Amino acid sequence: EVQLVESGGGLVQPGGSLRLSCVASGFTFSTYGMNWVRQAPGKGLEWVSYIGSSDTTIYYADSVQGRFTISRDNAKNSLYLQMSSLRDEDTAVYFCARGRPPDSWGQGTLVTVSS
Amino acid sequence: DIQLTQSPSFLSASVGDRVTITCRASQGISNYLAWYQQKPGQAPKLLIYAASTLQSGVPSRFSGSGSGTEFALTISSLQPEDFATYYCQQLYSYPYTFGQGTKLEIK
Repeated sequence: EVQLVESGGGLVQPGGSLRLSCVASGFTFSTYGMNWVRQAPGKGLEWVSYIGSSDTTIYYADSVQGRFTISRDNAKNSLYLQMSSLRDEDTAVYFCARGRPPDSWGQGTLVTVSS
Repeated sequence: DIQLTQSPSFLSASVGDRVTITCRASQGISNYLAWYQQKPGQAPKLLIYAASTLQSGVPSRFSGSGSGTEFALTISSLQPEDFATYYCQQLYSYPYTFGQGTKLEIK
């Protein structure tokens, strides 16, 4: 069974940093591209970032370009999102999701940016 | 960036009804479109990809159609578990944008 488990969310002040993790199991992680998708409270889905299976292909949404960094460690079956210069509008549940299109999703981790 | 516009944003229907949700792209995206279902407090679930291919395990009452800029998700006979919010997503070019969502409610 495919499982994706996110962690690392929490409360952070504007301008602060946070690192999200997603641990994968039940499939060969190293052969799949991975995504981060977020959802602000009561709002719709927003695609954030994608990393290819070998991390040579990386894309970001304009809203996070230059502030967020996606990475992966295939030896640890893990996906990461390093977030810096956080803003109020980055408050959201962050999902990791497998593949293109994303066919398996974690349950998400809540990031709250507030002073 | 490619914009996706879903209509309607809200839809009220009854069990057994046939409903259609549309998704319009701001430029041609061939068939690079997926549909998701999301229930409150849950992660999205992939229903359809490549505009019309049913994801494994998804009931056959769900179907997708379209190509280019106009797409549709149809539920042939609504079941109680289908009341949820539905999103389209384009996978033609980055950023992989989503539509704003369509909330399907019980009449």
